Amino acid sequence: DTEVTQTPKHLVMGMTNKKSLKCEQHMGHRAMYWYKQKAKKPPELMFVYSYEKLSINESVPSRFSPECPNSSLLNLHLHALQPEDSALYLCASSQELAVSGNEKLFFGSGTQLSVL
Amino acid sequence: AQTVTQSQPEMSVQEAETVTLSCTYDTSESNYYLFWYKQPPSRQMILVIRQEAYKQQNATENRFSVNFQKAAKSFSLKISDSQLGDTAMYFCAFAHPTGKLIFGQGTTLQVKP
Repeated sequence: DTEVTQTPKHLVMGMTNKKSLKCEQHMGHRAMYWYKQKAKKPPELMFVYSYEKLSINESVPSRFSPECPNSSLLNLHLHALQPEDSALYLCASSQELAVSGNEKLFFGSGTQLSVL
Repeated sequence: AQTVTQSQPEMSVQEAETVTLSCTYDTSESNYYLFWYKQPPSRQMILVIRQEAYKQQNATENRFSVNFQKAAKSFSLKISDSQLGDTAMYFCAFAHPTGKLIFGQGTTLQVKP
């Protein structure tokens, strides 16, 4: 199994809603990542977890709250989002933290989020 | 600061022909990794090829090969015998020592039948 599974594939939410994105992998990877991607733009790193501990937070607004309950699961909790937060949210994993690029990242297909 | 530049926003190629996508980067690191990722309409980012700067030999993966010029900080991707399934957005990326991938702006490649 070399898949990173993200659910849901599409999500529409209002600015007052609370929702969560889920990412799962069963490859035994110990590093997991959240990226945000606007249309026709490159992905931008949001968070990195290594061994279930937050390793990198790229100064992401607090309305995005990551959680890594175990080594196979990564969540992104959303609250009071703005329309400009509408984007594709990609999850990725690697065997270990990809320091200097020595690890291969496996990406999921993303959750397309629309904030109304 | 590390930067990655892709100067070709869009390209097209006829099926079975060869196309080269350009990428330049800037870094003060001596050893690092460079990548080409492909993002088809399915939206999943797929690693196409990886090059370690320490290795002089250019990486190849089947129909995909790179021309890595370390002194010029250039890392181009050559796709031979282009196929319709190669239609995608291609991102050049540099691996920051923290583990963060720094992407270029992308090149949209259309393979025409």
